[in-house]
Amino acid sequence: GDSVTQTEGPVTVSESESLIINCTYSATSIAYPNLFWYVRYPGEGLQLLLKVITAGQKGSSRGFEATYNKETTSFHLQKASVQESDSAVYYCALGDYSNNRIFFGDGTQLVVKP
Amino acid sequence: EAAVTQSPRNKVTVTGGNVTLSCRQTNSHNYMYWYRQDTGHGLRLIHYSYGAGNLQIGDVPDGYKATRTTQEDFFLLLELASPSQTSLYFCASSRTGGARAEQFFGPGTRLTVL
Repeated sequence: GDSVTQTEGPVTVSESESLIINCTYSATSIAYPNLFWYVRYPGEGLQLLLKVITAGQKGSSRGFEATYNKETTSFHLQKASVQESDSAVYYCALGDYSNNRIFFGDGTQLVVKP
Repeated sequence: EAAVTQSPRNKVTVTGGNVTLSCRQTNSHNYMYWYRQDTGHGLRLIHYSYGAGNLQIGDVPDGYKATRTTQEDFFLLLELASPSQTSLYFCASSRTGGARAEQFFGPGTRLTVL
């Protein structure tokens, strides 16, 4: 079945450092799934950070970006300079339109030190 | 602002107890979802619904019932709670189904079954 694998947390970085959280996916029924990054801040529910539905395209939001790479089946999340307010749990997710479902990775906790 | 609310936010019960988790959305969305999240697992879909009176089975439905009484309200019922159901539960809504639609999440209910 469909699955998403992402960097195991916690990931700890210092403020103003760069960040990459890896995400790879496996979609057994379709060639081009939709790909998402969601974020969950402490005490809140998940919220959509960015979404890309076309292979080769890049999505960006709040200084984060991710590129849909069909060759490596990856959708890594990057940010050039993190802030303490970026501390949260980040979830990579795959949307499979053959069964109209979204599958989430385990989540990666990011801790940004001041 | 559109919102998804959950109650209670925290719940402790004993094995064999009866628990109802409530979710209300003011998004006017058709789809609503119940997920659970455990350490080492991504969000796993328990049940979902695409309208009042409708119920669809997710990936981990055993031990759970759900009911969608109105477009706004979706309930998750644990009639004989077990320690294996100790988890963080999220409710979500979306305008359309699955693969492409953004889901809007509630803040979660932490359930402990002793």
